[in-house]
Amino acid sequence: GAVVSQHPSRVICKSGTSVKIECRSLDFQATTMFWYRQFPKQSLMLMATSNEGSKATYEQGVEKDKFLINHASLTLSTLTVTSAHPEDSSFYICSARGQGRNEQFFGPGTRLTVL
Amino acid sequence: AQRVTQPEKLLSVFKGAPVELKCNYSYSGSPELFWYVQYSRQRLQLLLRHISRESIKGFTADLNKGETSFHLKKPFAQEEDSAMYYCALSGSARQLTFGSGTQLTVLP
Repeated sequence: GAVVSQHPSRVICKSGTSVKIECRSLDFQATTMFWYRQFPKQSLMLMATSNEGSKATYEQGVEKDKFLINHASLTLSTLTVTSAHPEDSSFYICSARGQGRNEQFFGPGTRLTVL
Repeated sequence: AQRVTQPEKLLSVFKGAPVELKCNYSYSGSPELFWYVQYSRQRLQLLLRHISRESIKGFTADLNKGETSFHLKKPFAQEEDSAMYYCALSGSARQLTFGSGTQLTVLP
């Protein structure tokens, strides 16, 4: 149990376009979802925390207008990278946590390449 | 502020040798500590957590509050243990702070 999926797994886009990444909890209700960014051979950096039905909380230095997060249901959160630029190229990973649980379950990640 | 330090970026051991991946943390309250593992081309997955006090795949980790450490140990490393290992801390906000990771390579 506790499977988290992400879609797409890989996306290539032109500079200036927007890209939406979906994160779904397949077999449990995720009251909280997290979005991370991982650069090559580096650790995961938390970008934002989203609770279902409320606005996301962004970490310091993360532009909320650039990385739009929506957590409209207990099984789906989306991250939209608006007006993407090459420096936004990275590996984006989501995780989900059920109510009353401290354990996070991770998605497989989405590789974003902005040309 | 909470911080997790993994001093070794790379660690190589021979098959059958003991292995210890170091993790130190900084947190003013009572943290919950985790070890996550990421095998090649796979997602991050939980290996073990300190409150469970369990052994998974032969790995154990003991929380030492005096030394603020949560080192991961295995007495006899196997080639399939080769992976990236992340130590993580969860504080009162229940967010995870990850260490920089240690790439373990078990040589035949």
